[in-house]
Amino acid sequence: QKEVEQDPGPLSVPEGAIVSLNCTYSNSAFQYFMWYRQYSRKGPELLMYTYSSGNKEDGRFTAQVDKSSKYISLFIRDSQPSDSATYLCATSRTSYDKVIFGPGTSLSVIP
Amino acid sequence: DAGVIQSPRHEVTEMGQEVTLRCKPISGHDYLFWYRQTMMRGLELLIYFNNNVPIDDSGMPEDRFSAKMPNASFSTLKIQPSEPRDSAVYFCASSLGKKETQYFGPGTRLLVL
Repeated sequence: QKEVEQDPGPLSVPEGAIVSLNCTYSNSAFQYFMWYRQYSRKGPELLMYTYSSGNKEDGRFTAQVDKSSKYISLFIRDSQPSDSATYLCATSRTSYDKVIFGPGTSLSVIP
Repeated sequence: DAGVIQSPRHEVTEMGQEVTLRCKPISGHDYLFWYRQTMMRGLELLIYFNNNVPIDDSGMPEDRFSAKMPNASFSTLKIQPSEPRDSAVYFCASSLGKKETQYFGPGTRLLVL
């Protein structure tokens, strides 16, 4: 079993839709959770990070962590064509442990 | 800030040749990471350095791979000899302090024929 799993997609939604991206992880020791966005032929860029369980909101983006079910979500409200990218979830046990990345979910927002 | 700089951006080589990938981290960052990304395996950490010292190279696939960081502003990843299965995008990333805030370079697309 991989440590972090994601549905690879592709996920295609119309502009303005609410997007839900999800990850599951296997190690209950993971405490730090991140979402990276990767545009085609670019390096990943950090979108959001959270510590332990709960929600974190940043503009149109909300990250949610449920440690009891080992489930990580990223919600995008009012999705835009510029949100079209691959979204990688990532996690680590501590801020000084190596980061484990999921395989990524490809998202297309259609105008 | 120019961000993380990688060179070359694209590399096509023949099996058996030596390949050297280069990275310049963001000035002042004390962590440097080398990743490999493929469709099959996703993004994999190969090795990381803290203050120019290799900390964890457990992700380096074989002895054919080696990485160095002679100073705070430069690192190399070398593959010798290269094989077709090494074809991938290789990313360098750097961070300051907390490891989760990593800034990635644009990557080097390597094709080994």
